[in-house]
Order: sequence, then structure tokens, then C-alpha cells
Amino acid sequence: NAGVTQTPKFQVLKTGQSMTLQCAQDMNHEYMSWYRQDPGMGLRLIHYSVGAGITDQGEVPNGYNVSRSTTEDFPLRLLSAAPSQTSVYFCASSGGGPIYEQYFGPGTRLTVT
Amino acid sequence: QQQVKQSPQSLIVQKGGISIINCAYENTAFDYFPWYQQFPGKGPALLIAIRPDVSEKKEGRFTISFNKSAKQFSLHIMDSQPGDSATYFCAAGETSYDKVIFGPGTSLSVIP
Repeated sequence: NAGVTQTPKFQVLKTGQSMTLQCAQDMNHEYMSWYRQDPGMGLRLIHYSVGAGITDQGEVPNGYNVSRSTTEDFPLRLLSAAPSQTSVYFCASSGGGPIYEQYFGPGTRLTVT
Repeated sequence: QQQVKQSPQSLIVQKGGISIINCAYENTAFDYFPWYQQFPGKGPALLIAIRPDVSEKKEGRFTISFNKSAKQFSLHIMDSQPGDSATYFCAAGETSYDKVIFGPGTSLSVIP
């Protein structure tokens, strides 16, 4: 049981490049979410999904896209990277939604130059 | 109204002392208040959570105190240990709302 896995662990992008952050969970959780963590800002919700085929925006969705074709996978796409997207990104999943325990992945540290 | 405030930003406590972190919220519809613990280089992990039907919840050395009228809740770590050194996030969520709002975090250092 691997829990929540994220790849890559580190990534450097140039402004304007696009990329996909991968997230997978093997706990059959319906709820999955993406957060970004910045110093002094806590964890801010980017997008979330309550099940396959259903996604919605969080607090800071601009510049990011998501899709949920399977229960297991929830990739986050950066369409045209900007320096303001330099952050640590965490994926999380929960069996009952965010008001129950969320299991976080190890994070992806992204730098945009 | 969705904001969760957290203080202090950082905290240094002697081994064996009590660590206290405070949080406040505005939205009276919030009905779930978790605390997450994050070690350097790791993702956050749920430490303890409370719902507003109780005023206190204790798990080992960790206690959440909840004051519904003041819209405040706090985490107390008794007999703090160097292994407790981490960043702590409070959060608030609403049953009918598919999101939780996190506070900005408190960096705790427990010194020997």
C-alpha cells in the first residue's frame, strides 16, 4: 500500500513552459485535491475532485488545469509556467472528503525561472 | 470570512514544556477543525481533529481546546519533545463544503 505518490520530486521550468505533476493513490479514495504551499501562506487549495469525472476549483486555480479520468490518478497541469508558480505542490486524498483525514503525498518542489 | 488565523508564526519551547498554538476563524458554519503536523521535506499528516459538539479532545500529549463562542481553538502539546519539532497547521472545514481552509502554520522548535 503506497498511499499517495507524486512525481517528480523536483522540477525546474523556464517561464512559459508547460508540464504535468502526477499524483496517484491506491486507497480507492473518491476525494483528491491539489494544494500549493508557500512560506507564511499555509496550504492553499488549487483544484479538487470528488470522484472520477468531477473536478472543481479551489482558492487559487488560475494557471492550472486538472482532470480525473480514474479514481486513482489526479494530474495537475501547468499551462504556461510563471515565476509566481514557484512553490511546493502537494496532492492529497480522502475516503470521506476534506472533512475527514486527508492523506498527503511527499510533495513536488517546483522552481520557475 | 473564509480565513483561518494562526499564531504564533514560530515558537521555541524547552524540552518538557508546554507548546500552545492558537487559531481563530470567522465563518460560523465551520464544523470540523483538524490539526496537521508537517516534518521538513514531508507532506502534512493529520494529528488530531475536533468537531464543535465538544470543548476539548485529548490524544496522548496532544489536546485541542475549542471555544465556539469566541470562534477560537488551540493545540496544546504537553511535555514537548525534540521529536515534536515540526510545522503545525490548523484548519477549518464545513460539512456541506468540499474544502478545508488552512491557517498559515506555526514552526515549532523544541530544544533540549
